[in-house]
Amino acid sequence: DAKTTQPPSMDCAEGRAANLPCNHSTISGNEYVYWYRQIHSQGPQYIIHGLKNNETNEMASLIITEDRKSSTLILPHATLRDTAVYYCIVKKDGNEKLTFGTGTRLTIIP
Amino acid sequence: GAVVSQHPSWVICKSGTSVKIECRSLDFQATTMFWYRQFPKQSLMLMATSNEGSKATYEQGVEKDKFLINHASLTLSTLTVTSAHPEDSSFYICSASPQAGGGTDTQYFGPGTRLTVL
Repeated sequence: DAKTTQPPSMDCAEGRAANLPCNHSTISGNEYVYWYRQIHSQGPQYIIHGLKNNETNEMASLIITEDRKSSTLILPHATLRDTAVYYCIVKKDGNEKLTFGTGTRLTIIP
Repeated sequence: GAVVSQHPSWVICKSGTSVKIECRSLDFQATTMFWYRQFPKQSLMLMATSNEGSKATYEQGVEKDKFLINHASLTLSTLTVTSAHPEDSSFYICSASPQAGGGTDTQYFGPGTRLTVL
């Protein structure tokens, strides 16, 4: 699976939009971009995934560049409960394992 | 939907004893479940892939005789840490996917089990 690169940490003010970048320049055509987050001492929580079109759900929006080499996860109105480590993962089609990198530690500032 | 549970949520045991951790998919069937381990301030590392009705597939460096995996049904996988030692103390997390192959198989994670070996 393709490797991803994320900034190690970010801060965001409460109520503002949090934009988390991810580079996946070696992504292949059949690999999806998945985002998970892990709040301290809990299991990872699925957020969103996409192939090449932008996606939106009740939690977040995922913007994937046209060349698919990078993406941005957007939390539109960050709250203190969004403080967590966010993982960007690329995964092939099918029921395959997830390879976690180091993620981005997002801290929401009151 | 797509809820995964783990039991126990935490366990403390003496060195040399065995500990069993259960992972259940509550509202879906999962032919494949995954077991991860996470040490403090580190990321999740995949230990093994658990397949219903067949042997588990272990990642390189994970001792299959020490970490016994049984996937007895489509909703239950167990991980047994045999002869546990303090270095096995970690956060153990399982995941499962509602779809048996094909398409985008989103994995959902359990809440994790914190194992402390004294």
